[in-house]
Amino acid sequence: EPEVTQTPSHQVTQMGQEVILRCVPISNHLYFYWYRQILGQKVEFLVSFYNNEISEKSEIFDDQFSVERPDGSNFTLKIRSTKLEDSAMYFCASSGQGAWNQPQHFGDGTRLSIL
Amino acid sequence: GDSVTQMEGPVTLSEEAFLTINCTYTATGYPSLFWYVQYPGEGLQLLLKATKADDKGSNKGFEATYRKETTSFHLEKGSVQVSDSAVYFCALSENIRTGNQFYFGTGTSLTVIP
Repeated sequence: EPEVTQTPSHQVTQMGQEVILRCVPISNHLYFYWYRQILGQKVEFLVSFYNNEISEKSEIFDDQFSVERPDGSNFTLKIRSTKLEDSAMYFCASSGQGAWNQPQHFGDGTRLSIL
Repeated sequence: GDSVTQMEGPVTLSEEAFLTINCTYTATGYPSLFWYVQYPGEGLQLLLKATKADDKGSNKGFEATYRKETTSFHLEKGSVQVSDSAVYFCALSENIRTGNQFYFGTGTSLTVIP
């Protein structure tokens, strides 16, 4: 069964540095998402992406964050000037249709640790 | 705004016990409802879903019924196994302009002991 893959599985970065989290969505999917889960807290929506542009973003997704689909397969989340509070598990998801009754398929996540 | 409230954990059960994890939701429209499961070290996997009132989602012995009158989507299983130990997330999805935005509960950790 096709799956969403994320790399790296664990990223350790010094505060103030930039990180890029990578995702390869399921190949025929058109809608892409990033979520964040701070340890012990709920999974929070960051951003959705369709047709090469951001379609929705949450209050968390400020100017520090950006997303890009640099080619036909990758979907990246860039975090500039990282802060301690950016430490979390970041999940990428994709769906084949944007319909509200379709499930999103999630990757295994990237654990980001900011020192 | 939309939100999901889940029964707090952790929950510890003996093998073959009956499981209920409560989930209630608040939504402005007519959402779809989902249960996702997260096994240790893994991502979120879809467990089951229901897209309209009175629908029952089921998978791997788990069931949940979409109750519009009580805005609930409680997860149940008649006889849990050690392999069911995981974190369970209730989620709702409402259509946004393009794509669909998910709202997750806080997750309920389940440990099943032999």
